Amino acid sequence: AQSVTQLDSQVPVFEEAPVELRCNYSSSVSVYLFWYVQYPNQGLQLLLKYLSGSTLVKGINGFEAEFNKSQTSFHLRKPSVHISDTAEYFCAVMYGGATNKLIFGTGTLLAVQP
Amino acid sequence: KAGVTQTPRYLIKTRGQQVTLSCSPISGHRSVSWYQQTPGQGLQFLFEYFSETQRNKGNFPGRFSGRQFSNSRSEMNVSTLELGDSALYLCASRPSGTSGTEQYFGPGTRLTVT
Repeated sequence: AQSVTQLDSQVPVFEEAPVELRCNYSSSVSVYLFWYVQYPNQGLQLLLKYLSGSTLVKGINGFEAEFNKSQTSFHLRKPSVHISDTAEYFCAVMYGGATNKLIFGTGTLLAVQP
Repeated sequence: KAGVTQTPRYLIKTRGQQVTLSCSPISGHRSVSWYQQTPGQGLQFLFEYFSETQRNKGNFPGRFSGRQFSNSRSEMNVSTLELGDSALYLCASRPSGTSGTEQYFGPGTRLTVT
């Protein structure tokens, strides 16, 4: 079955520290990968995407992610977080083919502390 | 360009009633998808419309339906509301129906069923 796993429901981190949010997906020949951020009472904002090409993708707000096909992972990283990064982060996968729906992970709450 | 807009933003309904939610995609976008977000089930795909045709449907009962108009605006309808239908309903649009293109989300409609 197609699935996305975000093992960490919450990641506490101090301001200016680095962070990594983990995402694994069930294997498939063709996948498109996304990270979205959701601030309280708001919709989802696209942080970055991997469609093809370079496995290291850079997004907005200093975030980056690396696509690892052999480990079926797409972990999100930021070298130095700010208080304003506190939000829920969702990894999503779109499997190539007839279905164009996004399958989301359960989300990771990034809690940045001063 | 204006983003995806959803109306109303908040809605309170009683069990057994029906509700219609509206979504206006980004200008030029022809694909509209709907997602339900709840604390228990997370983000789940409802359906996708492209050029007024439903292309994909998630695993939801027939009480959930939708449609798309010639101007790409979309509505979703939930009949015979149940308490479990309380959720944030998110609409997303993208330029075409081609697999792999990112979706842009609206702010959502918060539906509360009492």
